[in-house]
Amino acid sequence: DAMVIQNPRYQVTQFGKPVTLSCSQTLNHNVMYWYQQKSSQAPKLLFHYYDKDFNNEADTPDNFQSRRPNTSFCFLDIRSPGLGDAAMYLCATSRDTSGGVTQYFGPGTRLTVL
Amino acid sequence: GQNIDQPTEMTATEGAIVQINCTYQTSGFNGLFWYQQHAGEAPTFLSYNVLDGLEEKGRFSSFLSRSKGYSYLLLKELQMKDSASYLCAVMDSNYQLIWGAGTKLIIKP
Repeated sequence: DAMVIQNPRYQVTQFGKPVTLSCSQTLNHNVMYWYQQKSSQAPKLLFHYYDKDFNNEADTPDNFQSRRPNTSFCFLDIRSPGLGDAAMYLCATSRDTSGGVTQYFGPGTRLTVL
Repeated sequence: GQNIDQPTEMTATEGAIVQINCTYQTSGFNGLFWYQQHAGEAPTFLSYNVLDGLEEKGRFSSFLSRSKGYSYLLLKELQMKDSASYLCAVMDSNYQLIWGAGTKLIIKP
């Protein structure tokens, strides 16, 4: 059974056209993360929510926003996608943020910007 | 700065053993994770080490030396399905995961 679900799996958008990626989880985890991963690179943390508390990484561009309306769902909004935003976007969850807690990943959304 | 180093690519033969190394320099240490990532898919959890020594889990084992800032992932009896990238990630003093770029493992028959 899928535990972290991402939709869509593939998303094509045009330069500058807003796009929203969604993530849902059935694990009832407190923490939800959004990562950006480009080919052959490490995943880059954009931000995370601990419950309703939003934690933005210092180097995440303002073009990226997130919403978490409830425990199960989290959204990534890219307000004006540029060509450099083409990447795999990974959603992950964890029970909390203490040592040793595993992050569980969804299948990812591959974003193409035309 | 914080840094995780892994080889970019390794090649091994089906049925053999391969060791993937990871060295790290981070602000604090709260454990080291290994994840497997098949092409175009999400990372899946393999192992976690927080104390020095070897953790064995089936065909996969992971080793940690905190004093050396070093870990390795050992894969035995390699199968074609083990062809994937293997990512090393360290949890720092802020409980954030610092990720390596991954090692692409190619298995040949």
